[in-house]
Amino acid sequence: DAKTTQPPSMDCAEGRAANLPCNHSTISGNEYVYWYRQIHSQGPQYIIHGLKNNETNEMASLIITEDRKSSTLILPHATLRDTAVYYCIVRRVLAGSYQLTFGKGTKLSVIP
Amino acid sequence: DTEVTQTPKHLVMGMTNKKSLKCEQHMGHRAMYWYKQKAKKPPELMFVYSYEKLSINESVPSRFSPECPNSSLLNLHLHALQPEDSALYLCASSPGGLAERTYEQYFGPGTRLTVT
Repeated sequence: DAKTTQPPSMDCAEGRAANLPCNHSTISGNEYVYWYRQIHSQGPQYIIHGLKNNETNEMASLIITEDRKSSTLILPHATLRDTAVYYCIVRRVLAGSYQLTFGKGTKLSVIP
Repeated sequence: DTEVTQTPKHLVMGMTNKKSLKCEQHMGHRAMYWYKQKAKKPPELMFVYSYEKLSINESVPSRFSPECPNSSLLNLHLHALQPEDSALYLCASSPGGLAERTYEQYFGPGTRLTVT
């Protein structure tokens, strides 16, 4: 299974861009990178995913390096409500279906 | 409707009790999941149901018994639990199968279980 490595914690000033890095150096050519976040005591929430092209949606942007060994999640204008644990996940196939294996994640604290 | 609902929100049970956790989705998803999350740890996969059949059991003790009565419902039956089983139990669903190139799991809010 492709493993992911993330910094355990990061701070970001409110209104600034939050850039969350992730290493996935053992990723295979057809494996997708997914990002979820979990606000305290809630269920994880899907943010974005990508294969090799950069992706953007209403929540965030995902930048994947050309060699696909790392990626960065960008929250363009962080707010206090973005304080959460952010998980970078490489989707895997298990027993004929896709699965997500959560790593330790990055705890992002948005500071007023 | 992209909601996964879980009941109850909180549950306190003794080690000799039998209880059940319930999960429901109406998105037409054919894969449903149970995860266990201890405090300050990431969610850990317990069971996967695919098209109402149990496809994955991640070596979970038999005191946890999953059930999928139909494609919208998922239960987790609990019996003779230990205090270390206290955790947040999360349910999730996804469209299912490998035909889709993109994939997203939707999570419920979880049931906070305390075993005394």
